[in-house]
Amino acid sequence: KAGVTQTPRYLIKTRGQQVTLSCSPISGHRSVSWYQQTPGQGLQFLFEYFSETQRNKGNFPGRFSGRQFSNSRSEMNVSTLELGDSALYLCASSRAGQNNEQFFGPGTRLTVL
Amino acid sequence: QKEVEQDPGPLSVPEGAIVSLNCTYSNSAFQYFMWYRQYSRKGPELLMYTYSSGNKEDGRFTAQVDKSSKYISLFIRDSQPSDSATYLCATRRTSGTYKYIFGTGTRLKVLA
Repeated sequence: KAGVTQTPRYLIKTRGQQVTLSCSPISGHRSVSWYQQTPGQGLQFLFEYFSETQRNKGNFPGRFSGRQFSNSRSEMNVSTLELGDSALYLCASSRAGQNNEQFFGPGTRLTVL
Repeated sequence: QKEVEQDPGPLSVPEGAIVSLNCTYSNSAFQYFMWYRQYSRKGPELLMYTYSSGNKEDGRFTAQVDKSSKYISLFIRDSQPSDSATYLCATRRTSGTYKYIFGTGTRLKVLA
C-alpha cells in the first residue's frame, strides 16, 4: 500500500512569490492535515480537510490556504512568501473517524530567499 | 506555557541501553497520545498510538501514559544505532478535531 506522497520534495522561492504544494493521501484516507515544521517551533498545525471541507484551522495568517479535491488529494498555497516561511511542510492523512492514526508524508522543504 | 513540553536533548546512549523519553502536557482534554520517530530529512513515522492510561508494548518499544500527572513516556529497550532519530510526542482531544499538538522532539543518538 503506497504511503502519503508529497510534491515537490524541494522548492526554492524568493520573497513575495507564491507557492503551491501537493499531497496525495493513502488510498482510502479521507482526512488530510498540513503541518509546518521549523527547528525553533517544531511541528505546528496549519489546517485539516475532510471531504473537501476545512474542518480545523491552526493559528497561521490568511496567506496560508488549502483545499481538498474529491479524490482526497490536497493542496496548500502560501502567498506573498516571507523569509520565515522557510520550513518543512508535512502532510498527514487518516481514515474518517476520530480514533484513527495520522500517517505523514516525507514533506516538502521550502526555502525562501 | 506550551501545551506539550518535551526535552529537546540531544540524548546520547550506548548501544543496548534502555532509553526513556518523556513529555508533559497541560490540558486534561487531551485523550489520545502518540509517539513518532523522525529520521533526518524524512517525515515523522508513527510508532505508538494509545488512548488509555497505562502501558502499551510493541516489540522493543513501550508507551506509558499517566493521565493523573499528565505525563507520557516512551521506553526503548536494547537500543540500536538505527534508533538514532528525533522522537516526537503528540496528543489531541477526543472529539471534533484532528488537530494534533506536538512536542518539539527529543534528538536521540545511540552510539555503537
